[in-house]
Amino acid sequence: SQQGEEDPQALSIQEGENATMNCSYKTSINNLQWYRQNSGRGLVHLILIRSNEREKHSGRLRVTLDTSKKSSSLLITASRAADTASYFCATDAGGTSYGKLTFGQGTILTVHP
Amino acid sequence: GAGVSQSPSNKVTEKGKDVELRCDPISGHTALYWYRQRLGQGLEFLIYFQGNSAPDKSGLPSDRFSAERTGESVSTLTIQRTQQEDSAVYLCASSRVHFGPGTRLTVL
Repeated sequence: SQQGEEDPQALSIQEGENATMNCSYKTSINNLQWYRQNSGRGLVHLILIRSNEREKHSGRLRVTLDTSKKSSSLLITASRAADTASYFCATDAGGTSYGKLTFGQGTILTVHP
Repeated sequence: GAGVSQSPSNKVTEKGKDVELRCDPISGHTALYWYRQRLGQGLEFLIYFQGNSAPDKSGLPSDRFSAERTGESVSTLTIQRTQQEDSAVYLCASSRVHFGPGTRLTVL
């Protein structure tokens, strides 16, 4: 079953603008990860944020995590046409399920040149 | 070094046939995961191998699905008597974050 719910389902912006995607989940987590997928095939791991972290940065990516609201956001700043892809959040409950990910439905991002 | 590889990249089969999908993980990675992704959806967990421990099969949707792994190397996912609803991309991951390119399965 899909734990994560992402919104928006689709986002269309102009190059240079910022893109924000949100993810909500239902159960306790050890960590939350964001992935990018191009053309419906292999996933690229973007960033991992642990349950005791509130914010993390990697290049033009900024991820926040609010465990009290069971939500996370991914911000891509100064977007480029090459950022066009589907973005998924995935939660890891840890413990005996460590590494077993539960994915959201994804946000389709289109960046227009 | 080499990443996770999967074969075939595409497989078209007829309803009722059996298929085998292969995953070659990154050398030395003890964990291996199989996921299924239906069109326009997120990934669904199928099965997880960790070293010599018993695999976590909790995500397999029916007894038509099975998977094997030899030690810490290659894994095969077998789908028997395929149905049209099995059409999806099947992705393998090595040690959690390293995903292969997937196998696109189409059942006619």
